[in-house]
Order: sequence, then C-alpha cells, then structure tokens
Amino acid sequence: QLQLQESGPGLVKPSETLSLTCTVSGGSISSSTFYWAWIRQPPGKGLEWVGSLYYHGTTYYNPSLKSRVTISLDTSTNQFSLKLNSVTAADTAVYYCARHPLRRSGTYYNVVWFDPWGQGTLVTVSS
Amino acid sequence: EIVMTQSPATLSVSPGERATLSCRASQSVSSNLAWYQQKPGQAPRLLIYGASTRATGIPARFSGSGSETEFTLTISSLQSEDFAVYYCQQYNNWPPWTFGQGTKVEIK
Repeated sequence: QLQLQESGPGLVKPSETLSLTCTVSGGSISSSTFYWAWIRQPPGKGLEWVGSLYYHGTTYYNPSLKSRVTISLDTSTNQFSLKLNSVTAADTAVYYCARHPLRRSGTYYNVVWFDPWGQGTLVTVSS
Repeated sequence: EIVMTQSPATLSVSPGERATLSCRASQSVSSNLAWYQQKPGQAPRLLIYGASTRATGIPARFSGSGSETEFTLTISSLQSEDFAVYYCQQYNNWPPWTFGQGTKVEIK
C-alpha cells in the first residue's frame, strides 16, 4: 500500500525559503502512470494546489505561486521536494504531498485526482 | 482558471438523514470531477472520481452525479463518521487543478 510522509521545518522566517520533502513508500516515484503533487491548506481554509511533477521532469505550478516555487524529485531516495522562496505569513498552511495519477482518456492523457495523501505538515511563517 | 463553487457552506443534518451537496463549475468540466472527505486533523480522502465512480473502499451510501457544470454528492443515510468537510475538484482544464471551498456537514 502506497504511503506518503511529509517532513521539514515547522517554522520558517519571513522572506526565507520553505523546504519540505515527501518520502514515498510502497511504490516507486519513477512510475510512468503517476505525477506527484503538493497541495496546501491555510488554517481553517480550503485546499490549494501548489504544483505537480512527473518523473522525467515535466512540472506544473500554480500560476499564483509560479515565480516562487520549485518541485523536484530524487529517484535514488524515492522522495520529492518542495521549495517556496520569499515566504510571508500568507504561506502559513498545512502542506500535503499526494500522488497524482495519469489516466488515458480516449486519445489523450489526463492528470486527474489526488490519491492517496500524506498526513500533512504545518508550516508557520513567523519571525 | 476554472472556479469551483460549493453550496451550501454548512449543511446541518440529523444522523440517518440524506445529505445533498452541490458543486458548480464556472465552465464545463465534462465528468472530470472528484469529491473528497476531510475530517478534523486529517488529510483529505478521495471519495468519488469521474463524477460518479466510488473510490476503493468507499461505502455505497456515497454517490455522485452530474456533468458539465453542475454536480451533486449525496450521502443517503448519514452515519456519525460522515460528519466532515467535503471538497470537489476539477481535472478537466489544467493547470491549475482547482478545488471548491468546501461544504461542512454538521450534526443537526
């Protein structure tokens, strides 16, 4: 059974870089049928997709964050990572990593829902 | 960007009753819609994909319907463990993949 686990600092200072890692167990991040995603949720608010990447390098980022976000993966450790620079208090959130399946739909491929999710990690931006 | 709008924001329901949650897309998403359940302190869990297909292990009391811009999640007979926040998410036009703001189902 695939499991994901987020890790990283729970407190980041304003203007610095938020760095998180997601460790995947029970499956390979080099699979051709999955993207890997980060999603965040500010306290008491809804879900916001941050970005997704494919094992061979294709990445998609939320346009609202695009200039500050980098997602990468390390196949040797079966991990993928999130870096968000120049953070402010508005970036305080629970950050989730999730598997993001690729599904064939007729003659094209669609990147679909998120399943499963990690348990999430709270990152607070504060001095 | 496709905007997903859920209603109502909060739904008060008695155990054993039916709950009907709505999700509207700002433009057609065909049947490329998923529903998630989130309990306090937990990660979201996939319930429904393809607008109407239950994910593995999801009880039959959960059902999804709709297409294009109007979708419904129905819980036929609410159990105590079903009181939670529910989100819809579209995967027809991306990036970005977008979520609704959520509907909280609370005990009446």
